[in-house]
Amino acid sequence: DTGVSQNPRHKITKRGQNVTFRCDPISEHNRLYWYRQTLGQGPEFLTYFQNEAQLEKSRLLSDRFSAERPKGSFSTLEIQRTEQGDSAMYLCASSPPFRQGHEQFFGPGTRLTVL
Amino acid sequence: KQEVTQIPAALSVPEGENLVLNCSFTDSAIYNLQWFRQDPGKGLTSLLLIQSSQREQTSGRLNASLDKSSGRSTLYIAASQPGDSATYLCAGGRGAAGNKLTFGGGTRVLVKP
Repeated sequence: DTGVSQNPRHKITKRGQNVTFRCDPISEHNRLYWYRQTLGQGPEFLTYFQNEAQLEKSRLLSDRFSAERPKGSFSTLEIQRTEQGDSAMYLCASSPPFRQGHEQFFGPGTRLTVL
Repeated sequence: KQEVTQIPAALSVPEGENLVLNCSFTDSAIYNLQWFRQDPGKGLTSLLLIQSSQREQTSGRLNASLDKSSGRSTLYIAASQPGDSATYLCAGGRGAAGNKLTFGGGTRVLVKP
C-alpha cells in the first residue's frame, strides 16, 4: 500500500503527558499537512511543510505543539503537557509538487484521548 | 478568510434515490475544491477535485459542479446504495503557499435499503 500512513492509530494518555505522532506521506509528495478534527466537525488546518521547511502554522498550534519533517520525508507532531481539550483525531495529508497536482491524500488518522 | 458551509448536516434517503449534497463558500477566489468521504472513525478518502477553471468533474456515479460566482459546489451521487452511507466533506483550497484546505462541517448521509 503506497498511501499515507500514520502511527499510532490510537493513543490514550493522561493529562500532562507528552505524545508524539508520526506521518509517512506518499512517496515523492513534497507537501505535507497536519489537520485536527474534533467529533462532528470538519478538519482544521494545523501546519504545512514543503520538503523539510515548515512554511505555515495555524494559530490553533499553541506553543505546546511542535512539528518536524527532517529530510523532507516523514513528519512528527508532538504535543507537550497534553490537556483534555487536545483530544481529537489528528490527520496527516500529502500532495505532490505544485505543478504536478493539488489533490490532498489523507492518512487514517491518529485518535488521541487525553484522560 | 474562507468559510465553508454544508447544509444539511444530515440526510436520509431510500436506496436508489439520487443524492444531492451542497457546499457553499465565502471567498470566490477559491483555487480548487475537493470532496471527501469519511467513514466513522476513519480518515478521509478523496472523491473529486475541481480546479477553479473547471465547472464540473465526474467519476463513475459521482458528479461535482463548481460555481464560483455564487460560491457553491454540489456533489451528485446517482442511484444511491447503502454502501454510500458516510459523511461527505467539501474543502476549499486557496492555491498559494501550499493550498491549505478549509473544510465544511460535513453532511452525514444514510442510505436505507
